[in-house]
Amino acid sequence: KAGVTQTPRYLIKTRGQQVTLSCSPISGHRSVSWYQQTPGQGLQFLFEYFSETQRNKGNFPGRFSGRQFSNSRSEMNVSTLELGDSALYLCASSLQGLAGVTSSYEQYFGPGTRLTVT
Amino acid sequence: AQSVTQLDSHVSVSEGTPVLLRCNYSSSYSPSLFWYVQHPNKGLQLLLKYTSAATLVKGINGFEAEFKKSETSFHLTKPSAHMSDAAEYFCVGHNQGGKLIFGQGTELSVKP
Repeated sequence: KAGVTQTPRYLIKTRGQQVTLSCSPISGHRSVSWYQQTPGQGLQFLFEYFSETQRNKGNFPGRFSGRQFSNSRSEMNVSTLELGDSALYLCASSLQGLAGVTSSYEQYFGPGTRLTVT
Repeated sequence: AQSVTQLDSHVSVSEGTPVLLRCNYSSSYSPSLFWYVQHPNKGLQLLLKYTSAATLVKGINGFEAEFKKSETSFHLTKPSAHMSDAAEYFCVGHNQGGKLIFGQGTELSVKP
């Protein structure tokens, strides 16, 4: 079974531009979550999509948005890029997602997209 | 878990010696806890998970962790380190709000 794939793997953008990152989950997984990883802040949760609906979101500004398609593939968009947006963006998929206490929400991570903003 | 604290930012061991990576959690209810490993330029890989079925959890690559409610700890151990274990390890909790809470990570170095 193919794992989680993310495209592109590396990206260089200029301040003020916008960027779209893509994530293809494991076949059959309906939940996709996005995370930002930086040396200073560590891993931070951005948002989770389940069956095309945003089910949860972290504490990020509105410049960060996402969506999920009917085939569960997800995209994340960052508008008006800032230098501080430079990070590794990780996508993770799971069968049932993060909602609920007793459900199995084991997450499988992709390799990430390394975004550099200059 | 409401918060997760990894007590060491860096641990160095010699090949063949035991590994101990420490994690404490803070939660008002019985948490779900995970350990993930991240090799350079790779995504995170699940090592093991605790979901209240058993306090001693065995994972992949010889790792295991014990959930101790009295100590609010979930330390990761391995009897004998291998060079390929060198990576960053994350202790992760799941809170009732449906979010994963990551510890700051522990970088494990393995010396030959």
